[in-house]
Amino acid sequence: ILNVEQSPQSLHVQEGDSTNFTCSFPSSNFYALHWYRWETAKSPEALFVMTLNGDEKKKGRISATLNTKEGYSYLYIKGSQPEDSATYLCALGGKLIFGQGTELSVKP
Amino acid sequence: EAGVAQSPRYKIIEKRQSVAFWCNPISGHATLYWYQQILGQGPKLLIQFQNNGVVDDSQLPKDRFSAERLKGVDSTLKIQPAKLEDSAVYLCASSLPPNRAGNTIYFGEGSWLTVV
Repeated sequence: ILNVEQSPQSLHVQEGDSTNFTCSFPSSNFYALHWYRWETAKSPEALFVMTLNGDEKKKGRISATLNTKEGYSYLYIKGSQPEDSATYLCALGGKLIFGQGTELSVKP
Repeated sequence: EAGVAQSPRYKIIEKRQSVAFWCNPISGHATLYWYQQILGQGPKLLIQFQNNGVVDDSQLPKDRFSAERLKGVDSTLKIQPAKLEDSAVYLCASSLPPNRAGNTIYFGEGSWLTVV
């Protein structure tokens, strides 16, 4: 059974701080790594799909990197804003095996 | 473009009652998924359909859960009888068939179930 781990479980930052989270996964038989942003009572929003070792993707103030050889991905948020408050989920593979998520709270 | 539609959004039932959730995927998406997300955990795949066929239902508790996608479009997930531990968000998602490029999987807003 594949195990996807995310850290930290929760994070509280001030507006303007930059932050990052980690997603760890088994490095064998890698297929794809997905990042989602999920606000309560809304649909999980797809941020990135990453497939190649060394991939770096960016969407506004959010970026992600991927290392398939060592089995980790980082998600970075530059200059956090209150609207970035959400749970950030990573998921592995075509069927999506999810980590438990990192809950981000950004205080004004 | 319309997203993944789910209903009902919220449901409260007593244990041992039954409940059904409905999902309409994005038009043209052959692959449909049902996930269960329990508070504090990541979503867990219950069942995956490719058109109207089941690809993976290994984590579906088949003694009480059932799902169908009869015409290869919308889908229904049923729980009968419900237990307290079934309290969760049930997420439906859809995508083009998975391939090596890693197609994006799009989610609905979820159906929030509370079993009392």
